[in-house]
Amino acid sequence: GQQLNQSPQSMFIQEGEDVSMNCTSSSIFNTWLWYKQDPGEGPVLLIALYKAGELTSNGRLTAQFGITRKDSFLNISASIPSDVGIYFCAGPPFYNTDKLIFGTGTRLQVFP
Amino acid sequence: DAGVTQSPTHLIKTRGQQVTLRCSPKSGHDTVSWYQQALGQGPQFIFQYYEEEERQRGNFPDRFSGHQFPNYSSELNVNALLLGDSALYLCASSLGGNTIYFGEGSWLTVV
Repeated sequence: GQQLNQSPQSMFIQEGEDVSMNCTSSSIFNTWLWYKQDPGEGPVLLIALYKAGELTSNGRLTAQFGITRKDSFLNISASIPSDVGIYFCAGPPFYNTDKLIFGTGTRLQVFP
Repeated sequence: DAGVTQSPTHLIKTRGQQVTLRCSPKSGHDTVSWYQQALGQGPQFIFQYYEEEERQRGNFPDRFSGHQFPNYSSELNVNALLLGDSALYLCASSLGGNTIYFGEGSWLTVV
């Protein structure tokens, strides 16, 4: 089945720095979603991408749907302490749009 | 407008016991999915309910079963609990394949 690999696994950055993370798949996706999960809570949708090449922003967050449809990228500019959490990419596999496959997650730690 | 609500938030069970977790979808949503999230991993799809029927199922044993009620709320039941069933169980709701919203989850610890 399809798998999503995220990198890096974890990041330790200083407040104010920019962050980049990516997600790759062994097969194509038609939708890419980026979620953030705070400790003890459910994932919260940050950005949804629906077309190859699409670049979408949500405040300091920008995500891109890769041209090959096998990858996606998330950037966070000028990080702040509340950006701490785990970031997951996710998407419905092409053979079953009723479920989401989640990536392995990128854990972000921001130091003041 | 309440989002997806789940109960209980935390519970501890003994191996071999049975557990029932509950979910109320976001207002107006008719589709409920359940996910299991083990510590340090991403959520894994268990199954999805629509119109009170199980529509899709992930790679989980028959010990995992569910139900959807006429008001779209849902229950997840796990029988013969194993230590490996310890996880955060997430409920997600959606309408017509649109944006999926997650609840805060139910933490299950099996001892």
